[in-house]
Amino acid sequence: NAGVTQTPKFQVLKTGQSMTLQCAQDMNHEYMSWYRQDPGMGLRLIHYSVGAGITDQGEVPNGYNVSRSTTEDFPLRLLSAAPSQTSVYFCASRKGSFSTDTQYFGPGTRLTVL
Amino acid sequence: AQSVAQPEDQVNVAEGNPLTVKCTYSVSGNPYLFWYVQYPNRGLQFLLKYITGDNLVKGSYGFEAEFNKSQTSFHLKKPSALVSDSALYFCAVRGFNYGGATNKLIFGTGTLLAVQP
Repeated sequence: NAGVTQTPKFQVLKTGQSMTLQCAQDMNHEYMSWYRQDPGMGLRLIHYSVGAGITDQGEVPNGYNVSRSTTEDFPLRLLSAAPSQTSVYFCASRKGSFSTDTQYFGPGTRLTVL
Repeated sequence: AQSVAQPEDQVNVAEGNPLTVKCTYSVSGNPYLFWYVQYPNRGLQFLLKYITGDNLVKGSYGFEAEFNKSQTSFHLKKPSALVSDSALYFCAVRGFNYGGATNKLIFGTGTLLAVQP
């Protein structure tokens, strides 16, 4: 199993540009989520999904969109990039939604918005 | 409000000495608690979790954590630190709302562990 994969690893955008961060998992996990990591703030939940076709907002959803058309994929879209979105983004997955299962993280995407 | 606190931004310890990384929590129900480790330029890796049962939980790489309900703490410990343990450590708790445990993890701000040779 590859686990949770993310592409790209690094990205530089100009303010106003849009892009999609890709996330995929091959563990048949129901639950997937996106976090951003900023210095001194830990990880903050952006969006999450409890299964294909179902998504919901997390703690900091503004400026981001998600969709979940398949179990495997959970892309994160930045609609109009802003410097405040400069961060490291992590995708995560786990087997169940309301379970105590371990959450697995991807390697991260480091995004810089100029 | 539900929260997790890691009071130390950085912990310094000499190799071979015991280490403790502190975590306290505040949730409205029975807590589900987790520790994750992040090595440089990598994603988070699961270390251990407390759901119920024995207050002393053993995890990966020789780490353990002790759940203390009265002190609302879940400190991470290791008897003998290694230089390779140097990393960023995150404590997390499963959130609660009026319906019970939610599917969201609330993370602390992280503690950088530096083990000197």
